[in-house]
Amino acid sequence: SQTIHQWPATLVQPVGSPLSLECTVEGTSNPNLYWYRQAAGRGLQLLFYSVGIGQISSEVPQNLSASRPQDRQFILSSKKLLLSDSGFYLCAWNGISQETQYFGPGTRLLVL
Amino acid sequence: GENVEQHPSTLSVQEGDSAVIKCTYSDSASNYFPWYKQELGKRPQLIIDIRSNVGEKKDQRIAVTLNKTAKHFSLHITETQPEDSAVYFCAASKGTGFQKLVFGTGTRLLVSP
Repeated sequence: SQTIHQWPATLVQPVGSPLSLECTVEGTSNPNLYWYRQAAGRGLQLLFYSVGIGQISSEVPQNLSASRPQDRQFILSSKKLLLSDSGFYLCAWNGISQETQYFGPGTRLLVL
Repeated sequence: GENVEQHPSTLSVQEGDSAVIKCTYSDSASNYFPWYKQELGKRPQLIIDIRSNVGEKKDQRIAVTLNKTAKHFSLHITETQPEDSAVYFCAASKGTGFQKLVFGTGTRLLVSP
């Protein structure tokens, strides 16, 4: 069966520091991968999506970037964090012939 | 692009009552409508979904209805229990494989014992 992992689970970072969040999927190949952000008490905002290695599309211009160095690995990065980057970051995936997206456990980021 | 509106934003019911959450979408080409439940501090989890070739789908105490003409779909929870308390998100998309899910803004459901 397929599983999705994210780490770290929680992170507290100072403003201006770099960021790297990792997402990996097991039990499937060539998944579509997505990064979402959820501000406290708010909805889900799609940040990036990827249909294959090295293929990244950005939904919202911002302080973040994404990379997909391997088929089942999706990384969210920032060179300098802002206070507004705080939130719950969720990775999701779906199969190439599937409609349903499944979410990872998430990373809770607090920028101070 | 697609826009999904969700109502109400909060819903309080007594245990055993029914709860209904409604969503409307703007893109008539959307054909897949999932519902996610998100408990406090957890990931959203799929609870039920419906495709445009079906008008209604049930899974135990949960049902979803779809009206393609009016472009709205609803989540119905019967015999609510305290463990149903969570935030519920509707979403819409079109096609299979790569597709962008457009989410509603969420409904916070509180079921009081």
